[in-house]
Amino acid sequence: GENVEQHPSTLSVQEGDSAVIKCTYSDSASNYFPWYKQELGKRPQLIIDIRSNVGEKKDQRIAVTLNKTAKHFSLHITETQPEDSAVYFCAASQLTGGGNKLTFGTGTQLKVEL
Amino acid sequence: EAGVTQFPSHSVIEKGQTVTLRCDPISGHDNLYWYRRVMGKEIKFLLHFVKESKQDESGMPNNRFLAERTGGTYSTLKVQPAELEDSGVYFCASSPQGLTNEKLFFGSGTQLSVL
Repeated sequence: GENVEQHPSTLSVQEGDSAVIKCTYSDSASNYFPWYKQELGKRPQLIIDIRSNVGEKKDQRIAVTLNKTAKHFSLHITETQPEDSAVYFCAASQLTGGGNKLTFGTGTQLKVEL
Repeated sequence: EAGVTQFPSHSVIEKGQTVTLRCDPISGHDNLYWYRRVMGKEIKFLLHFVKESKQDESGMPNNRFLAERTGGTYSTLKVQPAELEDSGVYFCASSPQGLTNEKLFFGSGTQLSVL
């Protein structure tokens, strides 16, 4: 089955700096890669996702890059703000039309300091 | 639009007791998933319903766990009898059928503590 590794487990940055979180996956058949943000006490929320036919996707200060050859994908947050502080989870799955069984990484605790 | 709701938000029980978790998906979502996060580890898949049918239950740890979705609306996950290693946060997620079915919407989770 799929295995997703995520690094780092904790990340502390100064407000305004960039943050990068990296994930690797094992199953070359995976074709969908979402990122979820979970603020303390709240539900995980989808912030960006990418399919394997695209190498990069950007949404305002957030971007995701995918390298299918190396089987790794990364989340980039620019101009970080205190409200970006949360746990971020990467995930991978193989979309088959019959549902979406996500395999998650272990999460990254991002802290944005003033 | 109401999101995915889970009840209770917290449950503290003793080893050997029974606990039932409930999930109400977003109205109209045929796909319903249960996931679990044990302290500090990844969020792990437990099972997937399409309407009232179990599509994939490969992540269920053992036969102490029973999930149901009678009528294809809300779902329950029962743990009987609970063991210490069952402690963790149990998440429910739902998604619609069709072109956007890959986007899972999560509930806030049930924090289960087995003492």
